[in-house]
Amino acid sequence: SQTIHQWPATLVQPVGSPLSLECTVEGTSNPNLYWYRQAAGRGLQLLFYSVGIGQISSEVPQNLSASRPQDRQFILSSKKLLLSDSGFYLCAWSVPGESTYGQYFGPGTRLTVT
Amino acid sequence: GNSVTQMEGPVTLSEEAFLTINCTYTATGYPSLFWYVQYPGEGLQLLLKATKADDKGSNKGFEATYRKETTSFHLEKGSVQVSDSAVYFCALSPSGSARQLTFGSGTQLTVLP
Repeated sequence: SQTIHQWPATLVQPVGSPLSLECTVEGTSNPNLYWYRQAAGRGLQLLFYSVGIGQISSEVPQNLSASRPQDRQFILSSKKLLLSDSGFYLCAWSVPGESTYGQYFGPGTRLTVT
Repeated sequence: GNSVTQMEGPVTLSEEAFLTINCTYTATGYPSLFWYVQYPGEGLQLLLKATKADDKGSNKGFEATYRKETTSFHLEKGSVQVSDSAVYFCALSPSGSARQLTFGSGTQLTVLP
């Protein structure tokens, strides 16, 4: 069966520091991968999605970036964090070319920028 | 474009009450429809889905029917429990595309003992 991991689970970082969040998927090949952010008490905001290694689409202009160095690894980064980057970051995967399966989410990373 | 509208929360119910969370959508063609649940501090879990008109998705006592004529996918449960307290998200996936889900804004449900 497929599983999705995220780490770290929680992170407290000062403003201006760099960021690296990692997501890995097991048990599937060539998944579509997604990064979402959820601000406190708010809905989901799609940040990036990827359909393959090195292929990243950005949905919202910001100081975050994403990379996919391996088929089942998705990384969210920032060179300098802002207070507004605080939130709950969720990684998800889906079966490519199949709209009926939905997306499957990881446990999330709680980021607090101080 | 595609959109999902959920009833605004928060919703507070007593244990064993009947639950309805309304969801309507705008999309071309025949999207797939989903309900996700998010328990405090956790990621989203797929609760149920329906992929064509008149399909009924069900799981853990929750049900939702894909109504093309009213473009709706309302979530229902006959008797809620305290453990059902969570945020519920309605979502759609456009037909022929697995790239993106369009989510509603989420509805916070609190069930009191």
